[in-house]
Amino acid sequence: QQQVKQSPQSLIVQKGGISIINCAYENTAFDYFPWYQQFPGKGPALLIAIRPDVSEKKEGRFTISFNKSAKQFSLHIMDSQPGDSATYFCAASKYNNDMRFGAGTRLTVKP
Amino acid sequence: KAGVTQTPRYLIKTRGQQVTLSCSPISGHRSVSWYQQTPGQGLQFLFEYFSETQRNKGNFPGRFSGRQFSNSRSEMNVSTLELGDSALYLCASSSAGNRADTQYFGPGTRLTVL
Repeated sequence: QQQVKQSPQSLIVQKGGISIINCAYENTAFDYFPWYQQFPGKGPALLIAIRPDVSEKKEGRFTISFNKSAKQFSLHIMDSQPGDSATYFCAASKYNNDMRFGAGTRLTVKP
Repeated sequence: KAGVTQTPRYLIKTRGQQVTLSCSPISGHRSVSWYQQTPGQGLQFLFEYFSETQRNKGNFPGRFSGRQFSNSRSEMNVSTLELGDSALYLCASSSAGNRADTQYFGPGTRLTVL
């Protein structure tokens, strides 16, 4: 039962470009929406997270946009760099830390 | 603060055996969650423990079980291993009690079932 849908599955961006990854969720009980970055052989690392009472959050080159009525949120990576090449996962979590992940987006940033 | 640690990092077992994986959360964190990651199914929630109690469980068979000790360390056990259990098993810890909060992941245990 997929509760968080993520797109695209893969993304290729030129260095300096903007990477955009989208997610949609179904369960309105979710109240915490993190994005994780994962490199091969490593565990996921938190990038940025948002709660539904905020429509946007920015940390450095990373921005989350959140649309509560549409049940959608997205990650924007500005000035994408080759070091950003990784798999990105959106997730949604309920109060008891039951976190559901999107399928992941493999980002490749070309030099 | 030290991060989440998982042992062992790699494990090879044969079908029918059982396995126990260990997770030590970040100091002060009382919530430990377990996830299975496979190329086909992605990251799937197994269960979460808070203060030694299982609060929630994902959609996995009863062969998958866990427990948490009074020092918040957690173990996950898989009995009667199947080939399909080959995966990266990730543990994540959080300080949150009654509100969802940041979960910090360990490096995972790579389990191969032959």
